[in-house]
Amino acid sequence: GNSVTQMEGPVTLSEEAFLTINCTYTATGYPSLFWYVQYPGEGLQLLLKATKADDKGSNKGFEATYRKETTSFHLEKGSVQVSDSAVYFCALIGAAGNKLTFGGGTRVLVKP
Amino acid sequence: GAGVSQSPRYKVAKRGRDVALRCDSISGHVTLYWYRQTLGQGSEVLTYSQSDAQRDKSGRPSGRFSAERPERSVSTLKIQRTEQGDSAVYLCASSATGQPQHFGDGTRLSIL
Repeated sequence: GNSVTQMEGPVTLSEEAFLTINCTYTATGYPSLFWYVQYPGEGLQLLLKATKADDKGSNKGFEATYRKETTSFHLEKGSVQVSDSAVYFCALIGAAGNKLTFGGGTRVLVKP
Repeated sequence: GAGVSQSPRYKVAKRGRDVALRCDSISGHVTLYWYRQTLGQGSEVLTYSQSDAQRDKSGRPSGRFSAERPERSVSTLKIQRTEQGDSAVYLCASSATGQPQHFGDGTRLSIL
């Protein structure tokens, strides 16, 4: 079946530092890939997505590139802010399905 | 417009009791999902429906989880004979055909 593996947290950074959250997946065919973010006390929100190989999703300064050869979808941001403190979930929808498969989530804490 | 709304926000129940969690999805969305979220283990899909008023008993092997959809934009997740291991955040999401899922804020369930 499909699976998503992402780095465990918590990740603690200083403001303006560079953030990378690794995500790798296992799926047949060509899944669609997503990053969701959950801010404290709120529900999941779609952050960005990519639907085919080499696509780059971007939003709010975050980027992730769909790498088919390494089955990865790493999330990056060049300069984080305190307001980026949240839990980030990597997810996929398989080529034949519509249900999301999530990674375990990575908690990010940005300190001023 | 209104997003996905879940109620209650918090629920405490004694082990062995049945519980029901409500989700009001976005008007016009066809597919409605229920996920169970545990930090570190990610989110697993419990059940979903793509039709009006359809009861979907798929998902958890034990069959204690089911969803009813009495109205097109309303779903009720029912958990029978709750166990302590059922303590988690339950997320509802809905989507239009071919579009990303929109999530509610979740219901935090605690089984004593």
